[in-house]
Amino acid sequence: GAVVSQHPSWVICKSGTSVKIECRSLDFQATTMFWYRQFPKQSLMLMATSNEGSKATYEQGVEKDKFLINHASLTLSTLTVTSAHPEDSSFYICSANIAGRSYNEQFFGPGTRLTVL
Amino acid sequence: GQNIDQPTEMTATEGAIVQINCTYQTSGFNGLFWYQQHAGEAPTFLSYNVLDGLEEKGRFSSFLSRSKGYSYLLLKELQMKDSASYLCAATDSNYQLIWGAGTKLIIKP
Repeated sequence: GAVVSQHPSWVICKSGTSVKIECRSLDFQATTMFWYRQFPKQSLMLMATSNEGSKATYEQGVEKDKFLINHASLTLSTLTVTSAHPEDSSFYICSANIAGRSYNEQFFGPGTRLTVL
Repeated sequence: GQNIDQPTEMTATEGAIVQINCTYQTSGFNGLFWYQQHAGEAPTFLSYNVLDGLEEKGRFSSFLSRSKGYSYLLLKELQMKDSASYLCAATDSNYQLIWGAGTKLIIKP
């Protein structure tokens, strides 16, 4: 159980276009979903925390107008990278907590590799 | 501030034992996670400790000392497939995960 999927697995786009990444909890309800970014040979960097039905909380230095997060249901959160540029090329990973659990183990999606040309 | 420290890289031999240390400083504490991450893949859960002591799970064990702000991950009978990054993450009083930078473990034949 506790499977998280992401779509797409990888995407290549032109500079200036927008890209949407979906994160779904397949067999559980996720009150909270997290979006991370990871550059090569670096650790995970939390971008934002997303709660169902409310606005996402962004980490310092992350532009909320550039990285739009929508958490419309207990099983789906989306991250849209608007007007993507080559420096946005990275590995984007989402994770989710199980609603009502006593400790906050995060279940990770497989990640989305974004390449902006 | 909140901080997690773990070694950047470690090397070990196939069949041997390796211990990866992690020290943490957080505002409050609600447990510590270890995750494994292979290159190009997402992290996968290894262990969770909230009480002092050793938790054993097959070839992997995790230890916690809350008074010392210290944890370690012990890997026994190392296999080549254990080559990966190992991430330590502590949970603060708001139940937010504070991530370490990860320890890259290189296994040599």
